Amino acid sequence: ELKVEQNPLFLSMQEGKNYTIYCNYSTTSDRLYWYRQDPGKSLESLFVLLSNGAVKQEGRLMASLDTKARLSTLHITAAVHDLSATYFCAVDGTGGFKTIFGAGTRLFVKA
Amino acid sequence: DAGVTQSPTHLIKTRGQQVTLRCSPKSGHDTVSWYQQALGQGPQFIFQYYEEEERQRGNFPDRFSGHQFPNYSSELNVNALLLGDSALYLCASSLGPLVEGRFQPQHFGDGTRLSIL
Repeated sequence: ELKVEQNPLFLSMQEGKNYTIYCNYSTTSDRLYWYRQDPGKSLESLFVLLSNGAVKQEGRLMASLDTKARLSTLHITAAVHDLSATYFCAVDGTGGFKTIFGAGTRLFVKA
Repeated sequence: DAGVTQSPTHLIKTRGQQVTLRCSPKSGHDTVSWYQQALGQGPQFIFQYYEEEERQRGNFPDRFSGHQFPNYSSELNVNALLLGDSALYLCASSLGPLVEGRFQPQHFGDGTRLSIL
């Protein structure tokens, strides 16, 4: 059964600092997603990673995928308060008919 | 171009009642997936519909059922509501099954917040 684990589950950091969120998954998959969710809102797609070694960057966020290690990272560079949100990674199961989410990382960036 | 729309936005029910949630996919999409997101947790996959058939189901009891109509819209029905069914229910649509060569990312609606008293 596909399982997705994120860590940390909660992260409080100062503005201007760097940090990495980790996402491990238990079975082979070639598609990994990162989403952002603000309180009371739906999911906003940040990145879709489709192959081993894929790296994507948008602003202060950079995501990478290592399918051999079954690991993805979301790196935050020089955090700003506006990045405060919950970040989810998610992985497609076999056949691609369902997507399994991690528990989420609640990020709080202090001014 | 309308995105994924869900109705209602909020709903309050009591234990034992039944509820129907509705979802209209993004224009051009033919696949709908439903997720349950309890407070403070990640979304949990309920099931996916394609060509009016349930293609995959998560670990949810038979109280949860669905339907997809010829226009690709979908309904989620929950019978015999329990307090634990209180959650945000998210609908996501995509083009075709999520298989290699036809990959399309899912688009999520704003969700229906269901509260059980």
